[in-house]
Amino acid sequence: AQSVTQLDSQVPVFEEAPVELRCNYSSSVSVYLFWYVQYPNQGLQLLLKYLSGSTLVESINGFEAEFNKSQTSFHLRKPSVHISDTAEYFCAVSSIPYSSASKIIFGSGTRLSIRP
Amino acid sequence: DAGVTQSPTHLIKTRGQQVTLRCSPKSGHDTVSWYQQALGQGPQFIFQYYEEEERQRGNFPDRFSGHQFPNYSSELNVNALLLGDSALYLCASSFNLGSSEQYFGPGTRLTVT
Repeated sequence: AQSVTQLDSQVPVFEEAPVELRCNYSSSVSVYLFWYVQYPNQGLQLLLKYLSGSTLVESINGFEAEFNKSQTSFHLRKPSVHISDTAEYFCAVSSIPYSSASKIIFGSGTRLSIRP
Repeated sequence: DAGVTQSPTHLIKTRGQQVTLRCSPKSGHDTVSWYQQALGQGPQFIFQYYEEEERQRGNFPDRFSGHQFPNYSSELNVNALLLGDSALYLCASSFNLGSSEQYFGPGTRLTVT
């Protein structure tokens, strides 16, 4: 079984400041890792994912996350946030292999609020 | 190319009633998963359908049931509604069971009074 812990329920930051949203996971098998973003009153959008290869993955809007197997972490970072980044961010895992029916296990979410 | 669509967007029901939520997957996708997102929480996996069969189920009671049609669309049915069933219900589709990525719809907000 897998589980995901997002250590901060809310993270307030000033515009143009850096931010880190923390995520730790637990699993007895290898996993895929994801970050999803949910803007107010909308569904979930995939922000970035780690499947294999380079442990540093990037999104098109400046976010990046690094897979750390020894610390079982997948923290999300952005060097300079914008007002438009205000949203709820969810870390998630799914088990490997992905050859059978699969499900995504989500953390409880981190609300990122940007102050001007 | 239409993404995942869900209907209705909002729904208000009374305790004890039954509800049906609908989902159309993204074009080319044949696998549909349903999630329940209670207020202030992350989504919880309900079940997944592929080839019109339930392939995997989360920790939800039998009051939650589903169906997948030959065109890959899906329904989620909840019987004997409880106040605790109030939540955002999300549908996600993927390109077969082996795909690592699920695309989410906007959700249906269910309120039980």
